[in-house]
Amino acid sequence: DQQVKQNSPSLSVQEGRISILNCDYTNSMFDYFLWYKKYPAEGPTFLISISSIKDKNEDGRFTVFLNKSAKHLSLHIVPSQPGDSAVYFCAAVPGAQKLVFGQGTRLTINP
Amino acid sequence: GAGVSQSPSNKVTEKGKDVELRCDPISGHTALYWYRQSLGQGLEFLIYFQGNSAPDKSGLPSDRFSAERTGGSVSTLTIQRTQQEDSAVYLCASSLGILAETQYFGPGTRLLVL
Repeated sequence: DQQVKQNSPSLSVQEGRISILNCDYTNSMFDYFLWYKKYPAEGPTFLISISSIKDKNEDGRFTVFLNKSAKHLSLHIVPSQPGDSAVYFCAAVPGAQKLVFGQGTRLTINP
Repeated sequence: GAGVSQSPSNKVTEKGKDVELRCDPISGHTALYWYRQSLGQGLEFLIYFQGNSAPDKSGLPSDRFSAERTGGSVSTLTIQRTQQEDSAVYLCASSLGILAETQYFGPGTRLLVL
């Protein structure tokens, strides 16, 4: 069973516009969420996180929003840049340090 | 090197053969994780080592999979009698702290079982 779901396998956005990546989860016990970014032939790198006690966390061009009642989180990138083109993974922490990942969304930023 | 390294980067094997995948974590990192990403799937947790504690093997999909970590550093993931469904990218990560975002990932080993 897929506890963390990213239903959009790909997304294409014009440079300078906002990119919105979505993630849904099923387990209400998840209390910490992360976004990772992955370039081809490289491992994922941590981007931004959010605790369930918050509904928003911002870091520069990246903002993560959490809607606990809907079990939904989203990553906003604004303005989008060509270097943002990558696969983005949403992950949840169910306890200890194990991460439960979504399937990933491939973001392409068009010049 | 400064980061997590994995070898080989690519491995093609025949069904039924055994394979060993290696992970060199960042020096000093006490925790080491193995994940895999099958086609169209997210990263799936396999096993977690923390210091000298017994590893958390709860994610290993079958008894054909095993892993060990020697001397608290290098780890080897072994898959015996490989099957085609084992084809995936196997990722290793290491961490020093207790926060999940401090996991640093290696580039992965792409395994193809024919």
